[in-house]
Amino acid sequence: AQSVAQPEDQVNVAEGNPLTVKCTYSVSGNPYLFWYVQYPNRGLQFLLKYITGDNLVKGSYGFEAEFNKSQTSFHLKKPSALVSDSALYFCAVRLKEDSGGGADGLTFGKGTHLIIQP
Amino acid sequence: ETGVTQSPTHLIKTRGQQVTLRCSSQSGHNTVSWYQQALGQGPQFIFQYYREEENGRGNFPPRFSGLQFPNYSSELNVNALELDDSALYLCASSRAANANEKLFFGSGTQLSVL
Repeated sequence: AQSVAQPEDQVNVAEGNPLTVKCTYSVSGNPYLFWYVQYPNRGLQFLLKYITGDNLVKGSYGFEAEFNKSQTSFHLKKPSALVSDSALYFCAVRLKEDSGGGADGLTFGKGTHLIIQP
Repeated sequence: ETGVTQSPTHLIKTRGQQVTLRCSSQSGHNTVSWYQQALGQGPQFIFQYYREEENGRGNFPPRFSGLQFPNYSSELNVNALELDDSALYLCASSRAANANEKLFFGSGTQLSVL
């Protein structure tokens, strides 16, 4: 079974400063990794994903994430935070087909509230 | 905004009743999955439908069932509602059933069971 840990319930960052939202995962096999963002009263919106290849993945709205296999982490980062980045962020994992995945759905973390202060 | 629409947006039921939630997938998508998001938690996978067949299921009892129609829209049915079924139910569609596909989520149906 797979699991995702987001150790911080909330992250506070001043506008213009870099931000990091942490994510670690546990899987018995090879993973695909995802970040989604949820705004109030809205569904989840895809930000980025790691499939294979370059460990640094770039996504929407200037976000990026680094896949670290040895530390089983996939932290979300942005060089300069905007107030509009304030939202609930979810990390998710799914097993690759070569590890038996494909129809098992995403496993999400509990989410991290990101608050960007003006 | 995605092209995934869910109805109704809010629903109140009493324990023991049955409920049907509906989802229209984004144009060109043939795969639909359903997730339950309890308050303060991440979404939990219920099941996935690909070309009208259930091809994956999470850890939910059989009273959670679904359908996918030829136009790839979908329904989630929950029988014998329990208080713990109160949650936001999210539908997501994707272009294919591959594990690396990004999901497009609807805004959800907020179900309250009294």
